[in-house]
Amino acid sequence: ETGVTQTPRHLVMGMTNKKSLKCEQHLGHNAMYWYKQSAKKPLELMFVYSLEERVENNSVPSRFSPECPNSSHLFLHLHTLQPEDSALYLCASSQVRNSGANVLTFGAGSRLTVL
Amino acid sequence: GDSVTQMEGPVTLSEEAFLTINCTYTATGYPSLFWYVQYPGEGLQLLLKATKADDKGSNKGFEATYRKETTSFHLEKGSVQVSDSAVYFCALSDRPGNTGKLIFGQGTTLQVKP
Repeated sequence: ETGVTQTPRHLVMGMTNKKSLKCEQHLGHNAMYWYKQSAKKPLELMFVYSLEERVENNSVPSRFSPECPNSSHLFLHLHTLQPEDSALYLCASSQVRNSGANVLTFGAGSRLTVL
Repeated sequence: GDSVTQMEGPVTLSEEAFLTINCTYTATGYPSLFWYVQYPGEGLQLLLKATKADDKGSNKGFEATYRKETTSFHLEKGSVQVSDSAVYFCALSDRPGNTGKLIFGQGTTLQVKP
């Protein structure tokens, strides 16, 4: 496996379900990100983890709960979601340095539908 | 706060036409600028980047020049192909050494017809 892998690729869940999205990076990067992609809206940054510590949480509702157990894995735990949470959830990783451009590498995304 | 604005799409062109997708930004400091591309059913891929004023990023026939005076980073290609049909995102970076996050525009869909 290379790059950034996200599972599952597609998920359908009811509003009372609990599910998790998984992201794994094989690039040796030190930072990981969750973005939400909704139709006709800019990508919304949800969470940033640097060296396994959450460094940014952009006012995301508590029904989304991230977890970063190590530098290669990132989870997004989902519970009691709303239909408006249906979107493509993108994971990315990068090697954050003190100089130069920071390039994010994205996974293919997990398409979530909340019924 | 920092933000990115792209032209509304979709942009529909015939094969071999000239492409311009406009992107302007608002930022404190001097961010790096990026264009990412998203093909159907896939995640975002880096297309090109520029790290300082007057830098030109280029890749696969696409080009964009970092214009500090107009706070712009317009994407251009001289002759588009059907395979270029995708969604294009302009983005700017957090300052080096910080979280490394990118702030994206809303994306512009390009449709190229044979």
